[in-house]
Amino acid sequence: NAGVTQTPKFRILKIGQSMTLQCAQDMNHNYMYWYRQDPGMGLKLIYYSVGAGITDKGEVPNGYNVSRSTTEDFPLRLELAAPSQTSVYFCASSYSQGSVSPQHFGDGTRLSIL
Amino acid sequence: GENVEQHPSTLSVQEGDSAVIKCTYSDSASNYFPWYKQELGKRPQLIIDIRSNVGEKKDQRIAVTLNKTAKHFSLHITETQPEDSAVYFCAASPFKTGANNLFFGTGTRLTVIP
Repeated sequence: NAGVTQTPKFRILKIGQSMTLQCAQDMNHNYMYWYRQDPGMGLKLIYYSVGAGITDKGEVPNGYNVSRSTTEDFPLRLELAAPSQTSVYFCASSYSQGSVSPQHFGDGTRLSIL
Repeated sequence: GENVEQHPSTLSVQEGDSAVIKCTYSDSASNYFPWYKQELGKRPQLIIDIRSNVGEKKDQRIAVTLNKTAKHFSLHITETQPEDSAVYFCAASPFKTGANNLFFGTGTRLTVIP
């Protein structure tokens, strides 16, 4: 099992550009999450999904969009990139059937907006 | 939403000594409290977690205690080793959302001096 795989690992964008951060998991987890981690800070939840076709906003959703067409994939879309979106982005997944379960993280995507 | 505070922000200990990191949370509905270790440039890795029906949990040199009444929980590392040096994050999850979304503290940078 590869676990949670994120691509790309690094990316530099210009202000106003758009891009999609990819996240895939092969653990058949039903829940998936996107977090951002600013320098010296904890992680903040951007969006989450409890299953294919179902997504919801987290703490800091502005400027981002997500979709979940399959159980395995949960891409994060940045529209009109802004310097404030410079951060490290982590995708995570977990499996739950009515009770809480540990989240497993990918290696992250380091994104710089210049 | 949930607010998690973590102290101290930095902690230096001599090898072999114990380290204690403390967190408080605000939402009495939170029922899951994981601790993550993050090495520089790496993903957060779960090291221990505790659920609200348990007051203490131990795994070798690592232990976590939970005081639901006071809404605080702590990480204890005994016999510290240089490889324990990393940033540690606490988190809390009010599972009422149905997706065990995690709210993170701001992290503690632990340095173990050989």
